[in-house]
Amino acid sequence: KQEVTQIPAALSVPEGENLVLNCSFTDSAIYNLQWFRQDPGKGLTSLLLIQSSQREQTSGRLNASLDKSSGRSTLYIAASQPGDSATYLCAGMDNYGQNFVFGPGTRLSVLP
Amino acid sequence: NAGVTQTPKFRVLKTGQSMTLLCAQDMNHEYMYWYRQDPGMGLRLIHYSVGEGTTAKGEVPDGYNVSRLKKQNFLLGLESAAPSQTSVYFCASRFNTGELFFGEGSRLTVL
Repeated sequence: KQEVTQIPAALSVPEGENLVLNCSFTDSAIYNLQWFRQDPGKGLTSLLLIQSSQREQTSGRLNASLDKSSGRSTLYIAASQPGDSATYLCAGMDNYGQNFVFGPGTRLSVLP
Repeated sequence: NAGVTQTPKFRVLKTGQSMTLLCAQDMNHEYMYWYRQDPGMGLRLIHYSVGEGTTAKGEVPDGYNVSRLKKQNFLLGLESAAPSQTSVYFCASRFNTGELFFGEGSRLTVL
């Protein structure tokens, strides 16, 4: 059974810092990978999707990469802001192209 | 363009009652999913659908039924609610191999 780990579980940083969130899968056979943010009491908002033929994606201050050989992904947030405070989840699609497996999330607090 | 809409957003049930959660998407997506999110358990897949008229079981299907009679709607039913089904339920949809979009969630409490 595919399992996903996200490290760290929680992170608190001062505003302006660059930071890296990690995601790893026990089975590296991942078709594509998506990063989400979730604010308290809200649904999941898609941040970045790395398709099967890609190794990374960038959107503004966010950069996500995927190493399929190891089943690991990182989400890099540059110049963090208090508005970045949320829980960040990664999800990998299985190679059958049907279902996603989600990590438990990293709870990020960016202090002003 | 509303995206993925879930109704109701909040509901309180007594043990043994039944209810249906409705998920509607206006993006013409083929795939639709129902997840539940519980503290310490993360997101777990209940049922999913790869197209109109099709459904399949996910990781935690017991106690739930689903139907996808129309492409834009995916219904999640609880025939006899139990306190263990107290949770936040999320619907999501996507195109084939594409980006997954979520609704805002439905918070269900079973007393």
